[in-house]
Amino acid sequence: AQTVTQSQPEMSVQEAETVTLSCTYDTSESDYYLFWYKQPPSRQMILVIRQEAYKQQNATENRFSVNFQKAAKSFSLKISDSQLGDAAMYFCAQGAQKLVFGQGTRLTINP
Amino acid sequence: SAVISQKPSRDICQRGTSLTIQCQVDSQVTMMFWYRQQPGQSLTLIATANQGSEATYESGFVIDKFPISRPNLTFSTLTVSNMSPEDSSIYLCSALSGYSNQPQHFGDGTRLSIL
Repeated sequence: AQTVTQSQPEMSVQEAETVTLSCTYDTSESDYYLFWYKQPPSRQMILVIRQEAYKQQNATENRFSVNFQKAAKSFSLKISDSQLGDAAMYFCAQGAQKLVFGQGTRLTINP
Repeated sequence: SAVISQKPSRDICQRGTSLTIQCQVDSQVTMMFWYRQQPGQSLTLIATANQGSEATYESGFVIDKFPISRPNLTFSTLTVSNMSPEDSSIYLCSALSGYSNQPQHFGDGTRLSIL
C-alpha cells in the first residue's frame, strides 16, 4: 500500500527566511511522481512543484525546490525568501495517476 | 494546463437528500478523479471516473452512495446520496491530461454542509 507521511502538522517562519517541509513516502511502484500542493483558505489545490522519481536532479520552481532522496523515500520542500502569500496548508502527494496525500503541514509566515 | 470548473462551489443540504456536483474541464483529458477532504483532514480518493463506463471506486466508497458519471472526455458528475452530517466535506474534482507524465490539476472544490 502507498503511504505518505508529513510529520510536521504546523510550521512557522519569518518573512524572507527559508523553511523546509518534510515528507516521507512508501510505495511498491517503480514509476511514480511526487508532488507538493498548496491549499490556501480558498480551498483550491495549487500545484507547487513536481518530481519524477526516475530523475536524480532535484526539481526547482523559482523560490521552491525539493530535496529528493529516493533510497530514503524522502521528499522535502524548501521555500526560500518566504512571502506572506506562501501561508497555506501544504500537502505532499505521491502517485502515477491516482494520488495519495499526506496529512498536510500548515505553514504560517510571520511578518 | 487544463482549467477545471466545479459547480456548485458550496451548498447546505438537509439530511437524507442528494446533491450532484458537476466538473467541467476546458479540454479533453484522459482521466478524471473525485476526492473528498473531510474537515481538517487530507484528501482521500473516492473514485476514478471512467469515460463511458462505470467508475472505479476505492476501498470504503460505494456506487450507491457516490454514483459517478462521465459521459464524455471533459465532463463528470459526482452525486452524494442520502446525505448525513458525516458527508460534510469538500469534494474536489481533478483531471489528468495525457498520461502520467503530466501533472494532475484540481478544481476549486465544492464545500458541502449537511444539517
